[in-house]
Amino acid sequence: GAVVSQHPSRVICKSGTSVKIECRSLDFQATTMFWYRQFPKQSLMLMATSNEGSKATYEQGVEKDKFLINHASLTLSTLTVTSAHPEDSSFYICSAREVTVYNEQFFGPGTRLTVL
Amino acid sequence: GNSVTQMEGPVTLSEEAFLTINCTYTATGYPSLFWYVQYPGEGLQLLLKATKADDKGSNKGFEATYRKETTSFHLEKGSVQVSDSAVYFCALRLGQGAQKLVFGQGTRLTINP
Repeated sequence: GAVVSQHPSRVICKSGTSVKIECRSLDFQATTMFWYRQFPKQSLMLMATSNEGSKATYEQGVEKDKFLINHASLTLSTLTVTSAHPEDSSFYICSAREVTVYNEQFFGPGTRLTVL
Repeated sequence: GNSVTQMEGPVTLSEEAFLTINCTYTATGYPSLFWYVQYPGEGLQLLLKATKADDKGSNKGFEATYRKETTSFHLEKGSVQVSDSAVYFCALRLGQGAQKLVFGQGTRLTINP
């Protein structure tokens, strides 16, 4: 299958700071990437759909000014959590859609964000 | 709305036991159905899928049949192994052109030797 990486895998930051998480498709180009949030023992909730070269589409209830998404190339999307607060602590997972061979989403390993 | 409900975990079985993880869905339209698996410390991997009613998805000894009449997509395996220990997610996607996945809450499976 296709490979998606995320960096960092874990990050701890102070309240009020911003944190950037990278999502990369390593062996394919992805015009569409997705960002999910997963709370402990809960499901993945789609936050936004990231489209290369255009603005992200956010799900209802997700603050676009809080969670900035940039998809500047066909292999990289970034999620920046601005002015992070403890309630933003969570597991963030990205996926990228591979359309040439599999036509499916492939998921990154996730990033654990802890805001102190 | 569209939603997926999974059997609550955690589920603990002995090696070689029979596994069933229940999944039911609510959807407007005709969804594709998926099972994803998340091994410890890794991302989600697609385990199997079915795109229309009565389709059976299978992979690595796991099977699931798309039952439109009962809106279900239960995951089964005849003889589980310790290496099957993971979290399993049922999901749906609406329409072939659609991209959004709606996930169930996940079921943690532990297989003891």
